[in-house]
Amino acid sequence: AQKVTQAQTEISVVEKEDVTLDCVYETRDTTYYLFWYKQPPSGELVFLIRRNSFDEQNEISGRYSWNFQKSTSSFNFTITASQVVDSAVYFCALSEMRSNDYKLSFGAGTTVTVRA
Amino acid sequence: GAVVSQHPSRVICKSGTSVKIECRSLDFQATTMFWYRQFPKQSLMLMATSNEGSKATYEQGVEKDKFLINHASLTLSTLTVTSAHPEDSSFYICSAIQQGRRSNQPQHFGDGTRLSIL
Repeated sequence: AQKVTQAQTEISVVEKEDVTLDCVYETRDTTYYLFWYKQPPSGELVFLIRRNSFDEQNEISGRYSWNFQKSTSSFNFTITASQVVDSAVYFCALSEMRSNDYKLSFGAGTTVTVRA
Repeated sequence: GAVVSQHPSRVICKSGTSVKIECRSLDFQATTMFWYRQFPKQSLMLMATSNEGSKATYEQGVEKDKFLINHASLTLSTLTVTSAHPEDSSFYICSAIQQGRRSNQPQHFGDGTRLSIL
C-alpha cells in the first residue's frame, strides 16, 4: 500500500502566484517523521523540512510554509509568491519509527512549473 | 555540513560492462547509507540499505548479485552494477545518515549518478 500520496502530478503557475502541494500519508506508528525534498532539473535532492509526529505547529521559512494536520494525515506545503527558480519536483516522504531502520517512503512527487 | 559526494555524476557505457558508483560522506561518519533508483518522471525507489561492516539489506525485487553493495568504511559505500544492460539505465542516488543520529535526522543525499547503458 502506498504510504505517501501526492495526488497532484503536475502544477503550473505564473510567477508570484501561490502554490500548495498536497501530501497525505498513512502509518500505524504513533511516532514518525515527515519530510519534504526538492529535486530541481539538475537531479540532486534538497532537504526542505523535517517534522515529527508530535509537533503539529505549522512552520514558515521565508516563502515556504507547511501545514501539518494529524487529524487528516496531511502535511501540505505552500510556496508563496512563486519564482521561476521554484520549478522542480517536490517529494513528500515518511519515516516510521517502528521498524527503526530509518527508511524513507517517498510519494510520487509533484512537478511544479513556474512560468515567468 | 553533512555533505554527501557521489561519483561519477554520469556514466555512459556498453552493455555488459560493470559500473561502480561511489557514495562518500565528506564531513561526517555514516553508519547507514541508502541506495535509490529513480526512473524518469518517477519517484525514488529504495534498492538497499548499506550498513558499515555488514552485508547490505536489499528491498524485495532487487537482485543482490546484480547490484553489489559494499560499505567498507564509515564514509564510503559503493554500488556496483554488474554486467549492466540497457534496462539498468536509470538515475541512481545515495543518501547517508550521520553516525549516532536517530531517524529524526534527515537523510543527506548525493547528487546522483545518471547511468546510460548502450
